[in-house]
Amino acid sequence: AAGVIQSPRHLIKEKRETATLKCYPIPRHDTVYWYQQGPGQDPQFLISFYEKMQSDKGSIPDRFSAQQFSDYHSELNMSSLELGDSALYFCASQPMGGGAYEQYFGPGTRLTVT
Amino acid sequence: QKEVEQDPGPLSVPEGAIVSLNCTYSNSAFQYFMWYRQYSRKGPELLMYTYSSGNKEDGRFTAQVDKSSKYISLFIRDSQPSDSATYLCAMIGGSTLGRLYFGRGTQLTVWP
Repeated sequence: AAGVIQSPRHLIKEKRETATLKCYPIPRHDTVYWYQQGPGQDPQFLISFYEKMQSDKGSIPDRFSAQQFSDYHSELNMSSLELGDSALYFCASQPMGGGAYEQYFGPGTRLTVT
Repeated sequence: QKEVEQDPGPLSVPEGAIVSLNCTYSNSAFQYFMWYRQYSRKGPELLMYTYSSGNKEDGRFTAQVDKSSKYISLFIRDSQPSDSATYLCAMIGGSTLGRLYFGRGTQLTVWP
C-alpha cells in the first residue's frame, strides 16, 4: 500500500541556514499535518492544511512557514535555523472524507543543526 | 502539565505475555483515542482508534476507553518479539480536522 513520502530523510544544516522539508501524502488524502519530535519526546503539532488552506496552527516558530500545493503535497520551510530545531519532523496525511483520527505518518525527516 | 500522561516505561515482558499499556488525560473534550506503534527512527504507525467509551478489538490488540475516569488502555495478547517498539497514545477532540495530542510513549521490549 502507498505510504506518506517525506524528503529528504536526513538533513544536516548549520545554524542560521535554511531548510525545506517536503511531504507527499497518500493518494486521495487531502489533509496534511506536520509534527516535530525531539529526542525522547512525543510528537508536537506544528501546522496543518486542508484543501491547500491552513486549517490549524500549533507551536510553530515564526521562522517556519509551510504551504500545501495543488497536488496536495506540502513543504515546510525553516529559516535562521537554531540548534534547538534539531529533531525528527513528521508529516501525516488524512483521507478525503475521513476523520482526523486517521492520520497516517510518514517516515520522517531527521534534521540536525550544527 | 501535559494533557496526556503516559508512563514511559521501559516495560520488558517475555514472549507470550499479556501487555497492558495505559494513558490518562485531563481534557474532557477528547472524543477519539488512538494507539500508535513507533519503531526506532521510524514514523508512528496507526494501530487502532476508538470513539468515546468502550472496547475495540483487532486481532491480538484490544483498546479500552473509560471516559468517566479519563483512562485508556491497550492490551496486547500473546506478545511477540516483533511487538517490541514504543507505543504512543494519542487523542483528539473533534472528528473532522484536528491536531493529535500524544502521550510520551511507552517503550516495550518482548524477549524470546
